[in-house]
Amino acid sequence: DADVTQTPRNRITKTGKRIMLECSQTKGHDRMYWYRQDPGLGLRLIYYSFDVKDINKGEISDGYSVSRQAQAKFSLSLESAIPNQTALYFCATSDRRDIGYTFGSGTRLTVV
Amino acid sequence: QQQVKQSPQSLIVQKGGISIINCAYENTAFDYFPWYQQFPGKGPALLIAIRPDVSEKKEGRFTISFNKSAKQFSLHIMDSQPGDSATYFCAASANTGFQKLVFGTGTRLLVSP
Repeated sequence: DADVTQTPRNRITKTGKRIMLECSQTKGHDRMYWYRQDPGLGLRLIYYSFDVKDINKGEISDGYSVSRQAQAKFSLSLESAIPNQTALYFCATSDRRDIGYTFGSGTRLTVV
Repeated sequence: QQQVKQSPQSLIVQKGGISIINCAYENTAFDYFPWYQQFPGKGPALLIAIRPDVSEKKEGRFTISFNKSAKQFSLHIMDSQPGDSATYFCAASANTGFQKLVFGTGTRLLVSP
């Protein structure tokens, strides 16, 4: 099993719908992140959480919300999806003692 | 505003050649500079990383060169192989509190047989 699991892997949704992307990890890491990948723009940080009670906005948080349900689970929600949120979304984890990130395999989201 | 500028956007190298990807940054608080490798359908994976107390780090065919005064760092892939074809991201973070990584825009490398 993967260390960082993202579900679903692919999703097509309609404009205005609410959608949740889920991330779970077995690394035992305390820190979790949501990034968005767009061609030519690289990876941009949406939200990050350094423990269950800590949630912080990243550089592009507008239109998104998150929930840290447990140390191992971090969900990203699009309250009302719009087409320019079509992108590849990655969850990542890290440990306070080791700066390296572990990424999930990504969720490809298409908003039509 | 892109905090880490990466070039080129794409690169084609012949098998056995040297691939070079460059990154530049402005934030002098950055003190950790990793490179990530991403294959299609996969998440990025840490390839190699450097801290500014050294000017070069080598792991196998992969080398990071770091120029603190110029605020630039680069990835060199020696004897490039078709299996190295992937997207490469440079990144940076300031370990003064939290480990948020700021990524470059990525370089798509194709190594032709």
